[in-house]
Amino acid sequence: AQTVTQSQPEMSVQEAETVTLSCTYDTSENNYYLFWYKQPPSRQMILVIRQEAYKQQNATENRFSVNFQKAAKSFSLKISDSQLGDTAMYFCAFMKHEVDDMRFGAGTRLTVKP
Amino acid sequence: EAGVAQSPRYKIIEKRQSVAFWCNPISGHATLYWYQQILGQGPKLLIQFQNNGVVDDSQLPKDRFSAERLKGVDSTLKIQPAKLEDSAVYLCASSLELSGSSYEQYFGPGTRLTVT
Repeated sequence: AQTVTQSQPEMSVQEAETVTLSCTYDTSENNYYLFWYKQPPSRQMILVIRQEAYKQQNATENRFSVNFQKAAKSFSLKISDSQLGDTAMYFCAFMKHEVDDMRFGAGTRLTVKP
Repeated sequence: EAGVAQSPRYKIIEKRQSVAFWCNPISGHATLYWYQQILGQGPKLLIQFQNNGVVDDSQLPKDRFSAERLKGVDSTLKIQPAKLEDSAVYLCASSLELSGSSYEQYFGPGTRLTVT
């Protein structure tokens, strides 16, 4: 069974600084997708960034980028120039190719301080 | 484009009572998911529909939980009878097609259930 581990329950960062959230996963699959979702307080979950395992190039979406290390089964999220609106729970998620059972980690609560 | 709608947003019931949640997915989205998110944990998939058919309900506690998606649009999730451990946020999500083909899942705001 696939498991997703987020070892940092809480993190904080000063506004405008950079922070990295960690995620590791366990799978024997070769084709899969990895995701980072953001869940702001009392608001719905939204997709931040997605990585296909067959792609070696790390995904980037504006201030958000990932460091995907397939051999190490590691998928960290880097947030550059942190903004107050980045304060949220961040969930790492794994999904096998062509199978819809998305597995989530326990989440990291990120607080951006002014 | 309207997002995924859920109601009610909050519900408090006593154990052994029944409760129902409603979800309206994004128009045109064929796939609908119900997740349970217990406090301090990530969401866990309960059931997945493709149009009005069930694709996966392996993690749905079928002795007390049921779900339907009549006409392949709206969906309801029911718990009867509720237990204390059912206290959680119930999230509904939808996607254009099966997400295994990399279509994004869009989440609703959730229904926070408290069982006392």
